[in-house]
Amino acid sequence: KQEVTQIPAALSVPEGENLVLNCSFTDSAIYNLQWFRQDPGKGLTSLLLIQSSQREQTSGRLNASLDKSSGRSTLYIAASQPGDSATYLCAVKALYNQGGKLIFGQGTELSVKP
Amino acid sequence: KAGVTQTPRYLIKTRGQQVTLSCSPISGHRSVSWYQQTPGQGLQFLFEYFSETQRNKGNFPGRFSGRQFSNSRSEMNVSTLELGDSALYLCASSNLVTGGGTDTQYFGPGTRLTVL
Repeated sequence: KQEVTQIPAALSVPEGENLVLNCSFTDSAIYNLQWFRQDPGKGLTSLLLIQSSQREQTSGRLNASLDKSSGRSTLYIAASQPGDSATYLCAVKALYNQGGKLIFGQGTELSVKP
Repeated sequence: KAGVTQTPRYLIKTRGQQVTLSCSPISGHRSVSWYQQTPGQGLQFLFEYFSETQRNKGNFPGRFSGRQFSNSRSEMNVSTLELGDSALYLCASSNLVTGGGTDTQYFGPGTRLTVL
């Protein structure tokens, strides 16, 4: 059974710092991995999607990497800003899943202090 | 393009009642998935519909059901509500077709259900 873990559960950093969020999964048979952001009481916003054949994806100040063999992904946020404060979730889609089912981690709650 | 919309945004019900939530996907998207989010369990997959057929189902009791219409709009129903059903219910749509492709999932704002 696929399990997704995110460490740390919460993180507080000063503005301007570069930071890394971690995501690990137990079954390497994944189709893709997606990083989301969730603001309090709101829905999820997709940040980056990495296909299983890819090693990384970049969007602006965000860079996500994937090491399928070790069951790990990282989300790197450069020059953090207070507006980055949110909960970050990673989710995997199983290789054998023809549909849209995602398995989520519990998230990392990020707070960026001015 | 308009995003995923969910109605209603907030609901308060009492134990034993039933509730129906609605989700309208992004235009052209045929896959709609439903998730339950609670502080204790996090985000858990309920079910997915594609072209009016349930394609995937999570580990929830039969009180949770759903359907999809020909215009891809989807509804989920929870019967005989329990206190533990209080949660944020999120739906997501994607442009996924059988066989793969990039399938970024786009989430709606959610429906906050409170069961008293």
